[in-house]
Amino acid sequence: QVQLVQSGAEVKKPGASVKVSCKASGYTFTSYGISWVRQAPGQGLEWMGWISAYNGNTNYAQKLQGRVTMTTDTSTSTAYMELRSLRSDDTAVYYCASGPLVAPYYFDYWGQGTLVTVSS
Amino acid sequence: QSALTQPASVSGSPGQSITISCTGTSSDVGGYNYVSWYQQHPGKAPKLMIYDVSNRPSGVSNRFSGSKSGNTASLTISGLQAEDEADYYCSSYTSSSTPMGVFGGGTKLTVL
Repeated sequence: QVQLVQSGAEVKKPGASVKVSCKASGYTFTSYGISWVRQAPGQGLEWMGWISAYNGNTNYAQKLQGRVTMTTDTSTSTAYMELRSLRSDDTAVYYCASGPLVAPYYFDYWGQGTLVTVSS
Repeated sequence: QSALTQPASVSGSPGQSITISCTGTSSDVGGYNYVSWYQQHPGKAPKLMIYDVSNRPSGVSNRFSGSKSGNTASLTISGLQAEDEADYYCSSYTSSSTPMGVFGGGTKLTVL
């Protein structure tokens, strides 16, 4: 069965960086895309960006351009999301989700989420 | 990219039907047949309920259905059950500037 397993919770200071991993199993990794979605405490879902696991093409949300980088390692079927220059309002649960290879049309399988807390 | 507009809350009694709306623009909901809906229970990851406006993934109850008219998409849940109580989010593909996704603000469904 399809599974996306994310790395554990992180606590970071403002200005630091965080890198969250998402290991996929149960399907051909390079046949799908991976999106990253975050959810601040008590808030709604926010789409952060998408990467094609086939060729590494990326699209990022405008508000995160310059601070976020998404990558994949096809040898281990793992996707990564790095967010730099962290601020307190980056505190959120970060999810990876698989979807169509062509573009982020929808998100069918989700990871369990990774809580990132930004606090001094 | 602005979020899609959903009602903050809806409610219904067991056995009834409810509809949640999701309003966007011609650059997202109205421009593509790539609207999806997600159910999220507290403390859990979202679950895909509808994709491509009206398609149900395998395993999702046929009590859930989706539709679209112009810039507004809708999720209808018929025969409400207690376990349907959750937050529901719509999402749409958009490529007004660069290909991306956008979510609605979410709707809290209460089963009375």
